[in-house]
Amino acid sequence: DAGITQSPRHKVTETGTPVTLRCHQTENHRYMYWYRQDPGHGLRLIHYSYGVKDTDKGEVSDGYSVSRSKTEDFLLTLESATSSQTSVYFCAISDGFQDEQYFGPGTRLTVT
Amino acid sequence: DQQVKQNSPSLSVQEGRISILNCDYTNSMFDYFLWYKKYPAEGPTFLISISSIKDKNEDGRFTVFLNKSAKHLSLHIVPSQPGDSAVYFCAAANAGNMLTFGGGTRLMVKP
Repeated sequence: DAGITQSPRHKVTETGTPVTLRCHQTENHRYMYWYRQDPGHGLRLIHYSYGVKDTDKGEVSDGYSVSRSKTEDFLLTLESATSSQTSVYFCAISDGFQDEQYFGPGTRLTVT
Repeated sequence: DQQVKQNSPSLSVQEGRISILNCDYTNSMFDYFLWYKKYPAEGPTFLISISSIKDKNEDGRFTVFLNKSAKHLSLHIVPSQPGDSAVYFCAAANAGNMLTFGGGTRLMVKP
């Protein structure tokens, strides 16, 4: 299995609070991604990174920001959490742009 | 507008029989297709892929078929086993763009 960890695995937070989720890889893969999974919508890309300090928006980026200061870490920040951001968040990595992606175990976030 | 659709949210199959999961897409520029499998409380794992230059790719019990004219792909699992019970996502991509996932199909294989 690819070495990807996500922290925390579960979080409950209140509306309006900032939240940061962390993805850590030990594979030295260039590309890292953040997805959210919601019933009926599958996996939707939030942001991705193609190198240290190089990031770009995905399909559902509003309300989210990311940072990648080291190859191994990719942070997802919800500036001011809303109930619509209650979801399961997955981090993924890949070596090349369209290569197979390896997913982390997910973070279940509940915004009350 | 969903470019990749899995119209069956769930599928139930008897152990030993064939499972057929379907996926339709609308973007004719997609040239690479993948299937992922997801167990509860785990991340998706890659299962099998196919390039648009092929119409079939086989890996053990799993075969993916691509019909470009119909913009349709399917995943066949033969024979189905209880351990195959999971949610299956199809995904598509074209050069220079990210993967687009379908909504998933929950497969239940009954012993």
